[in-house]
Amino acid sequence: DAMVIQNPRYQVTQFGKPVTLSCSQTLNHNVMYWYQQKSSQAPKLLFHYYDKDFNNEADTPDNFQSRRPNTSFCFLDIRSPGLGDAAMYLCATSRINTEAFFGQGTRLTVV
Amino acid sequence: EDQVTQSPEALRLQEGESSSLNCSYTVSGLRGLFWYRQDPGKGPEFLFTLYSAGEEKEKERLKATLTKKESFLHITAPKPEDSATYLCAVQALGGRRALTFGSGTRLQVQP
Repeated sequence: DAMVIQNPRYQVTQFGKPVTLSCSQTLNHNVMYWYQQKSSQAPKLLFHYYDKDFNNEADTPDNFQSRRPNTSFCFLDIRSPGLGDAAMYLCATSRINTEAFFGQGTRLTVV
Repeated sequence: EDQVTQSPEALRLQEGESSSLNCSYTVSGLRGLFWYRQDPGKGPEFLFTLYSAGEEKEKERLKATLTKKESFLHITAPKPEDSATYLCAVQALGGRRALTFGSGTRLQVQP
């Protein structure tokens, strides 16, 4: 089945140690998103790509970066994770201006 | 700035007890309103897209409706497997816009 796959499902990292989360899709959608979701809160958009066109939200910390080497893959890099970065990270894809389809998320724990 | 407010924050129903969830939104111009279901520890699952006031969509025990200021998700004769968090999101008109989410309604259906 076509889908959005995130790896790993659970990630434990040390305070300040760089970490990379990955997302792949078989839907051939040209838009990919990264959202951060903390407990009982709304998913918060970090950035999104329209094809290779990168769009960064104004309040996304510099500590967060992203790469999209091709249509199918997208990565979220956290350069120096802090305790406040512990959250569920959600990757989603869509065609332009249509509903988004989400992966199962990566739960990040910072120790 | 686009805003989405969902109420109630939490709702507990008995099996078979119908109810409605509310999503109020403020957006400069609405391209679409989306409903998602999210189970604990998982990514949101797409349910419906609504585009214009008066539109309705149905799926099993769920029916979504839209006015110019709010949307309702009606749950008819719910079952315990309907227990989840229901998220509402809006997408504004104008260029390439991502989804803005509300914080959701946590629904618990007791047998």
